[in-house]
Amino acid sequence: NAGVTQTPKFRVLKTGQSMTLLCAQDMNHEYMYWYRQDPGMGLRLIHYSVGEGTTAKGEVPDGYNVSRLKKQNFLLGLESAAPSQTSVYFCASRGLADNEQFFGPGTRLTVL
Amino acid sequence: AQRVTQPEKLLSVFKGAPVELKCNYSYSGSPELFWYVQYSRQRLQLLLRHISRESIKGFTADLNKGETSFHLKKPFAQEEDSAMYYCALISSGSARQLTFGSGTQLTVLP
Repeated sequence: NAGVTQTPKFRVLKTGQSMTLLCAQDMNHEYMYWYRQDPGMGLRLIHYSVGEGTTAKGEVPDGYNVSRLKKQNFLLGLESAAPSQTSVYFCASRGLADNEQFFGPGTRLTVL
Repeated sequence: AQRVTQPEKLLSVFKGAPVELKCNYSYSGSPELFWYVQYSRQRLQLLLRHISRESIKGFTADLNKGETSFHLKKPFAQEEDSAMYYCALISSGSARQLTFGSGTQLTVLP
C-alpha cells in the first residue's frame, strides 16, 4: 500500500517550458487536491477534484490546469512555467467517510 | 471568509521545557480543526484533530470556541519534536478542502 505518490520528486524548468506533475493514490479515495507550499505562506490550494472526471479551482489556480481521467490519478499541468511557480507541490487525497487528507511526498519545482 | 492564523513563524525551546504553538481561526459555523506536522523534507502527516480529542506523541490541543483558538501543547518537548507544524481548518464547501495557517517551525534545543 503505497498511499499517495508523486512524480517527479524534483524538476528544474526554464521559463516558458511546460510540464506535468503526476499524483497517484491507491486508497480508492474520491477527493484529490493539489497544494503549493511557499515559505511563510503555508499550503495553498491550487485545484481539487471531488471524483473521476471532475475538477475545480482552488485559491491559486492561475497558470495551472488539472485532469482526473482516472480515479487514482490527478495530474497538474503547467503550460508555460514562470519563476513565480517555483515551489514545492503537494498532492493529497481523502475518502468520503473521513476528513483526514493523506499527503504525497512533494515535488520540488524550480523555474529559472 | 475562513482564515487560520499562526502568529509565530519560528519557535525555539529547550528539551524538557513546555511548548505551546498558537493557532487562531475565523469561521462562521462549527469548525473542524487539525494539526499537521512536517518533519524535515518529509510529507505532511496528521498529528491530531479536535474531534478525536486524542493525545499523540504527547501533544494535545483543545478547541476554545470563545477565543477561536486551537493551540497545540506539550508539557515536555523532545528533540525529535523539531518540525514544521501547520494548523488547518476544514472548509464548509462540498470539497471540504483544508485552509492552512502559515506554519510554525519548532526547534527543540538540546
